Amino acid sequence: QKEVEQDPGPLSVPEGAIVSLNCTYSNSAFQYFMWYRQYSRKGPELLMYTYSSGNKEDGRFTAQVDKSSKYISLFIRDSQPSDSATYLCAMSANSGGSNYKLTFGKGTLLTVNP
Amino acid sequence: DADVTQTPRNRITKTGKRIMLECSQTKGHDRMYWYRQDPGLGLRLIYYSFDVKDINKGEISDGYSVSRQAQAKFSLSLESAIPNQTALYFCATSDTRTGTIPNEQFFGPGTRLTVL
Repeated sequence: QKEVEQDPGPLSVPEGAIVSLNCTYSNSAFQYFMWYRQYSRKGPELLMYTYSSGNKEDGRFTAQVDKSSKYISLFIRDSQPSDSATYLCAMSANSGGSNYKLTFGKGTLLTVNP
Repeated sequence: DADVTQTPRNRITKTGKRIMLECSQTKGHDRMYWYRQDPGLGLRLIYYSFDVKDINKGEISDGYSVSRQAQAKFSLSLESAIPNQTALYFCATSDTRTGTIPNEQFFGPGTRLTVL
């Protein structure tokens, strides 16, 4: 079993739709959870960051972490064509030190149609 | 703006050739990474460096080598390129200073490498 599983999609939605992106993981030591957004022909950029369990909201974006189910989600409200990108989840167990490692999901390609 | 740059942005080479990809950063970060991205496989870590004297293998280091020439420069070499090394390569940096988001990595724009 892969440490991090993410449905690669592709996912196509109409403008204004609510989008739900998800990852599951197997390593119970993960406690730092991130969502990166990658536009075509660009490097990934950090979109949302959550430590441990709970929700975090930033404008139209909400990140949720359920450590009991080993499941994280990213919700996009009122989706816009400019949200069209690949979304990668990423997670790690440590904040630093020699054992640091950031594990990425494979990414989900999202297209928002005008 | 403090940035992560990669050269070249695109490269086509032939099997057996030696090739070097370069990464420079003006962020002042101590850690640097090399990833490759393949369709259906996501981002995979090749090598990472915590400082100039600390270089570590990632999950797919075979066929690659690296050099950390200075805190700001981290180069990836393919000693004898093969077609299955065709991929998108990303350099990334991170900062261990307090006050920053733990583990946040900042990525360069990528190098698209094709090995014929």
